[in-house]
This record gives sequence, C-alpha cells and structure tokens, in this order.
Amino acid sequence: QVQLVQSGAEVKKPGSSVKVSCKASGGTFSSYAISWVRQAPGQGLEWMGGIIPIFGTANYAQKFQGRVTITTDESTSTAYMELSSLRSEDTAVYYCARSIVLRYFDWLLGWFDPWGQGTLVTVSS
Amino acid sequence: DIVMTQSPDSLAVSLGERATINCKSSQSVLYSSNNKNYLAWYQQKPGQPPKLLIYWASTRESGVPDRFSGSGSGTDFTLTISSLQAEDVAVYYCQQYYSTLPFTFGPGTKVDIK
Repeated sequence: QVQLVQSGAEVKKPGSSVKVSCKASGGTFSSYAISWVRQAPGQGLEWMGGIIPIFGTANYAQKFQGRVTITTDESTSTAYMELSSLRSEDTAVYYCARSIVLRYFDWLLGWFDPWGQGTLVTVSS
Repeated sequence: DIVMTQSPDSLAVSLGERATINCKSSQSVLYSSNNKNYLAWYQQKPGQPPKLLIYWASTRESGVPDRFSGSGSGTDFTLTISSLQAEDVAVYYCQQYYSTLPFTFGPGTKVDIK
C-alpha cells in the first residue's frame, strides 16, 4: 500500500519561496502522477498542478503559472512543489496526492488516492 | 474549466437517517466512448487529508462502508449515506477528472448530526 509522507510545517516571509516534499513508499512511483492541492483555512480544495515522473513534465493551473514549480526525484521517489513570491493569501495546507494515468498523450488523470498528510505553510511578516 | 457546484452547503441529519448530497458539473463528465462518468467523491474530517470514497461516479473504493453510494450521470450526481453514523461527520467534496487540466472540485458539503 503506497504512502505519501510530506515535509513539515513552514513559516515564511512575504516575497520568499517555499519548497515542500512528498516521499512515496510502498508502491510504484514513476508511472503514476503526483498532484499538489492546497486548502486555505476553512476553505475548499484547489488543484495547483501535477507531474508524471516517468515523463518529467509538469502541468500547472493557470492561477499558479509562473509561481509554482513541481519536480520529482525518481531515485528517492520524492516529488517537490516550490511556490515563489509568497503572499499572505498563500497561507494554506498543501497536499500531494497520487493519480493513475488514464491517458498519457493528453494528460488525462484519474482520482486522487492516496493523499499525503498535508503541510501547513504560513506566510507572515 | 469545468465548474463544480454542490448542494446543500451543509446539512444536519439524525443518526441512522439518510443524508443526500448533490453535485452538478457545468458540462457533462460522461465519456460516450466508454460510458463512464469521470467523477469522484471524497470525505474530509477535521485535521485530516481528504479520503477517496467513490470513483467513476458509483464505484466504492475498497474498505469504504456500503452505506456510502454514488449515483447520477452526465452533469448531475448524488452521494448518499444511507444510515448516518457519528463517524460520518465530515465535509464531502465531489471532483471531476473528465478534464484534468485543470482538475476541479466542488465547494464541499458539511454533514453534521442533528
């Protein structure tokens, strides 16, 4: 049974960057997709972007284009999400989640299962 | 982008009674080629990540109690909890994966005990 374990909570200043990791254990890593989803306090779920490790190319939600970078290290089965130019509105819990790949050529992915435990990122001066 | 809406925003149901949550997509999430609806449901309890309950609109994930069921097709979907238990208090989200650039979620429905 695959598990996703994320790095710990972070406190960042406005304008800085944060990099969150997500390590997979107990299952196949490269042929699935990893997405990042965030949840602001008391709010819903927002997809930020994702990557299929075997291809290495990431896709991002338009809202985060230019500010988010998602990468993987296949040697350690770890995915990373880096968010730059942080502002107070980026305070949220950030989750990684795995999807099956339904169709590679047009990046059609499936449901999210499992999810990481979440990483709280607080942006405050 | 496919916009997902849910109703109601919240509901309170007595223990043992039925809870029904609705989800609507701005366009059909049914692929005619395989007759599958690209819709999932998740349960999120406070302080926890979301947990997958149902995919393909009506396929229960392994280990999910059979009091949870999903139905619907095209643009209108329902999650039903047939007999609400105390441990079912949570927020429930629907999500489409018909078009995964981007994935989109519904705003969530909070379920409480009356």
